Amino acid sequence: ILNVEQSPQSLHVQEGDSTNFTCSFPSSNFYALHWYRWETAKSPEALFVMTLNGDEKKKGRISATLNTKEGYSYLYIKGSQPEDSATYLCAFGNTGNQFYFGTGTSLTVIP
Amino acid sequence: KAGVTQTPRYLIKTRGQQVTLSCSPISGHRSVSWYQQTPGQGLQFLFEYFSETQRNKGNFPGRFSGRQFSNSRSEMNVSTLELGDSALYLCASSAGQGPYNEQFFGPGTRLTVL
Repeated sequence: ILNVEQSPQSLHVQEGDSTNFTCSFPSSNFYALHWYRWETAKSPEALFVMTLNGDEKKKGRISATLNTKEGYSYLYIKGSQPEDSATYLCAFGNTGNQFYFGTGTSLTVIP
Repeated sequence: KAGVTQTPRYLIKTRGQQVTLSCSPISGHRSVSWYQQTPGQGLQFLFEYFSETQRNKGNFPGRFSGRQFSNSRSEMNVSTLELGDSALYLCASSAGQGPYNEQFFGPGTRLTVL
């Protein structure tokens, strides 16, 4: 069973703060790393699909980086807003065509 | 485009019964994957179907099975339900097969086994 770990487990930040979380995954047999945002009572929503070492992706105030050699990815949120409150999931896809999800980082942005 | 739909949204069953969950992917998507989420666990991969064939299976007992129809709709069946099968079951569709394809998730079916 592959281990995908996310830290921290939960996070409370003030509106306007910038924050970041980590996803750690096995560095072997890497194929892709996905980030999702999951709001309560909604479906997980894809944020980024990252495939290459050194990849950096950005969508508005959210960005992500990828290091496949050491097995980690960072997700950054700049100037957090209350609507950013959600659980952020990462999923590691290996050459066996399976996804392994972390347990997520729960972000609460306090107005 | 309509999103991924799952039916039913909520289900209550008793131990020993069986259950069938349904997933309709986004139009044109041929891959459907199923996941289970239990409290404190990340999403656990159940299986993936592509063009009516099961391409991948996670580490779940044989009581969990699925199928995909020619219109890409998929069903998941759990027989002889156990209390531990209480979970949120999510399906996700993607245009192609393989972990570099973006997945689109449905709202899930919340199964409670009493």
